[in-house]
Amino acid sequence: AQSVSQHNHHVILSEAASLELGCNYSYGGTVNLFWYVQYPGQHLQLLLKYFSGDPLVKGIKGFEAEFIKSKFSFNLRKPSVQWSDTAEYFCAVSSFGGNEKLTFGTGTRLTIIP
Amino acid sequence: DAGVIQSPRHEVTEMGQEVTLRCKPISGHNSLFWYRQTMMRGLELLIYFNNNVPIDDSGMPEDRFSAKMPNASFSTLKIQPSEPRDSAVYFCASSDQGRWSTEQFFGPGTRLTVL
Repeated sequence: AQSVSQHNHHVILSEAASLELGCNYSYGGTVNLFWYVQYPGQHLQLLLKYFSGDPLVKGIKGFEAEFIKSKFSFNLRKPSVQWSDTAEYFCAVSSFGGNEKLTFGTGTRLTIIP
Repeated sequence: DAGVIQSPRHEVTEMGQEVTLRCKPISGHNSLFWYRQTMMRGLELLIYFNNNVPIDDSGMPEDRFSAKMPNASFSTLKIQPSEPRDSAVYFCASSDQGRWSTEQFFGPGTRLTVL
């Protein structure tokens, strides 16, 4: 069975600080990896996704994530955060070529202080 | 496209009442997912359908929960009878299976409060 761990439950940063949110997954096969964002009071939206190829994936709003297969990690990064990045961030995994079931991490709440 | 549509957006009911949540997936999508989000348990997949057929309902918490997808453009999640611990935000998502790397598109959610 797949599982996803997000060890940072709540991260507080000042504007312009750099961000890295951790995500580790557990699965024996090839995976698809996703980061979703949920702004306050809104639904989940896709930030970026990894299927294959370049392990450094660029998404919307200046976010990127790096897939490190040896570490089973898919950490989310942004060099300079903005107040509008305040949201909850979810890492998710699905099996490559398998069914579409997404397994989500518990989420990381990000608070940006102006 | 209007995206995934859910109704109602908010539902407040009393314990023991029947609750029905509705979802209209994105046109052309052939997979539909129901999730529940709570502070304690995070985001949990309850059930998902492919081509209107339930594929995995292992996340459905108990027999009080049931879901149907009578056609490609409509699904319901029913709780009968409802209990206070069912209070949560319920999300519906859809995707276009057939491509090997699918993205799920989420609806705005239904916030359910059971008193």
